[in-house]
Amino acid sequence: SQQGEEDPQALSIQEGENATMNCSYKTSINNLQWYRQNSGRGLVHLILIRSNEREKHSGRLRVTLDTSKKSSSLLITASRAADTASYFCATDGGALIFGKGTTLSVSS
Amino acid sequence: DTEVTQTPKHLVMGMTNKKSLKCEQHMGHRAMYWYKQKAKKPPELMFVYSYEKLSINESVPSRFSPECPNSSLLNLHLHALQPEDSALYLCASSQGPAMNTEAFFGQGTRLTVV
Repeated sequence: SQQGEEDPQALSIQEGENATMNCSYKTSINNLQWYRQNSGRGLVHLILIRSNEREKHSGRLRVTLDTSKKSSSLLITASRAADTASYFCATDGGALIFGKGTTLSVSS
Repeated sequence: DTEVTQTPKHLVMGMTNKKSLKCEQHMGHRAMYWYKQKAKKPPELMFVYSYEKLSINESVPSRFSPECPNSSLLNLHLHALQPEDSALYLCASSQGPAMNTEAFFGQGTRLTVV
């Protein structure tokens, strides 16, 4: 079962630009996580934001959470070609339940 | 050591074969997971083990049989699979419940059923 829905499904930008991905979910959460997956490989944890937090930063990443709208956003600033990957939000469901993901392509 | 190691990396098996996927972690994590991922889709949860006991089975067909021999190892036994079972199988582990803490993923086993 999937809880989260990301948009856009695909995003193409130039190096140096910012990338914003959105995630909407259906049920109440304790926290929300974002993961990154390079093509055909394992997922890497990026950031965890708790339900009582509104914003969190980690390096070039900024995550926001709006529990009233059941939505979160991931902003990657000053993107690099190496940021090319799929990005998934994940919420509680007995274990991590992943959204459909956003495929980000950063060209140099 | 923050690695989750999965073997083999690639597996091709016939529909009458029996094979096993293996997953190992040495981070002392007590929760381990199997996910299945089809191309261009998100990972789908299959099984959760907590303290070496199966705690979640997401209505997975019995041709997939998980096993947790000890706190560091997780196996997925495969038998009589169908071509539609071809996918990337991902193992993950976490210190506690995955929703509350970071999960570490292996690089996956790319399974092709012929």
